[in-house]
Amino acid sequence: KAGVTQTPRYLIKTRGQQVTLSCSPISGHRSVSWYQQTPGQGLQFLFEYFSETQRNKGNFPGRFSGRQFSNSRSEMNVSTLELGDSALYLCASSLWFASSGKHEQYFGPGTRLTVT
Amino acid sequence: TQLLEQSPQFLSIQEGENLTVYCNSSSVFSSLQWYRQEPGEGPVLLVTVVTGGEVKKLKRLTFQFGDARKDSSLHITAAQPGDTGLYLCAGHSNAGGTSYGKLTFGQGTILTVHP
Repeated sequence: KAGVTQTPRYLIKTRGQQVTLSCSPISGHRSVSWYQQTPGQGLQFLFEYFSETQRNKGNFPGRFSGRQFSNSRSEMNVSTLELGDSALYLCASSLWFASSGKHEQYFGPGTRLTVT
Repeated sequence: TQLLEQSPQFLSIQEGENLTVYCNSSSVFSSLQWYRQEPGEGPVLLVTVVTGGEVKKLKRLTFQFGDARKDSSLHITAAQPGDTGLYLCAGHSNAGGTSYGKLTFGQGTILTVHP
C-alpha cells in the first residue's frame, strides 16, 4: 500500500501571500489530520477531517483552513502568510480500531514552508 | 489540556550503550505511539501500545506503557549510529469531540549515537 503523500515538498512564499498544501492519505483511510512542526513548539495539531467534515480544530487563527474531498484527499490553506508560519506541515491519515481503542496515525513526508 | 512531558530532551551516547527515554503525563491516554523522525521527513510509526502494563519489543527497542496508561518508556539496547534521530511519543484519547484525530506529542528526544 502506498503511504501518505504530500505536495509540494518545499515552498517559499513571501509575507502576505497565501498557500495551499495537498495531502493524499493511505488508501482506505478516511481521517486526515494536519500538524505544524517548528523547533520551538514541536508538533501542534491544526485540524482533522473525516468524510469531508472538519471534526476537530486546534488553537490556530482562522488564517489556517482546510478541506477534504470525497476521495479523502485533503488540502490546507494558509492566507496572509506571516514569518512565523515558516514550518514543516505534516499530514497524517488514521486508523482507529474501535474494539481495542487503538489509534494509529501515519505521517507523510511533510511540506517545508518558508515565508520570507 | 493534555500534556506529555518527554525526557531527556537530548541524548548523546557511544555505540553499544543502552538508553531510556521517558514520556509522562497526568492524563490517561487510550493509546500511545512512539515515532522516529529524520531531519526533513515525517515521523515514522515505531509502535502503538494500548493496554496498561503492556510491553512490546522491536528488535533492540523495548516499549512499555504504564499500568495507569499515563506514562511510557522506550529503551534501546546496544545503540547503533543508525538509531540516531528524533524520537517522539504521542498519546491519543478516545473521548471523542476535541480528541478526534488529535495526537498530543511530547517535545521529543534528539538521540545521537557516536561510532
